[in-house]
Amino acid sequence: EDQVTQSPEALRLQEGESSSLNCSYTVSGLRGLFWYRQDPGKGPEFLFTLYSAGEEKEKERLKATLTKKESFLHITAPKPEDSATYLCAVQELIKAAGNKLTFGGGTRVLVKP
Amino acid sequence: NAGVTQTPKFRILKIGQSMTLQCTQDMNHNYMYWYRQDPGMGLKLIYYSVGAGITDKGEVPNGYNVSRSTTEDFPLRLELAAPSQTSVYFCASSPHSGGATDTQYFGPGTRLTVL
Repeated sequence: EDQVTQSPEALRLQEGESSSLNCSYTVSGLRGLFWYRQDPGKGPEFLFTLYSAGEEKEKERLKATLTKKESFLHITAPKPEDSATYLCAVQELIKAAGNKLTFGGGTRVLVKP
Repeated sequence: NAGVTQTPKFRILKIGQSMTLQCTQDMNHNYMYWYRQDPGMGLKLIYYSVGAGITDKGEVPNGYNVSRSTTEDFPLRLELAAPSQTSVYFCASSPHSGGATDTQYFGPGTRLTVL
């Protein structure tokens, strides 16, 4: 059974204090790993897709990396506007029909000025 | 493009009542999905559709029904609402290129409370 675990559950940062979020996954074969950002009262907003171990993607202060068992979302010099819940989701090869995703529980990030 | 729209934004139901959550997308996406998100939890897939007239169950389908008569619309029906269905419901859609993984795009959500 697919399993996606995110840690920590919550993260408090001072503005400018870099940190990393972890997403560990257990799937038979990974088709893709997705990162989303979710603001309170809003729907998830797409950030990145990673397909293979060693791949990295960047967007502003965010950088996502992927290994065979986990992904990291690095937040460099965060600003208060980076406060959000970050969701990780995986798509398994054998369940590719319908492009179904399995989500982790998310990491709530609060960046204080 | 409006993207994925959902109505209503909020709703309170009494136990045993029924309702339909509406979802429309204007991106001509083949695939559509319904998720529920409970407090502090990730999203759980309720139902999905790969095209008009085709639907299938997700991880937590009990107590829900769906239909897909057009590419644009994917309504979710709750029959005999129960307190366990109190949640935030998200609709999503994705293209299907037939090749690389396609991204799911989400609506703003419907917050449902069953009392």
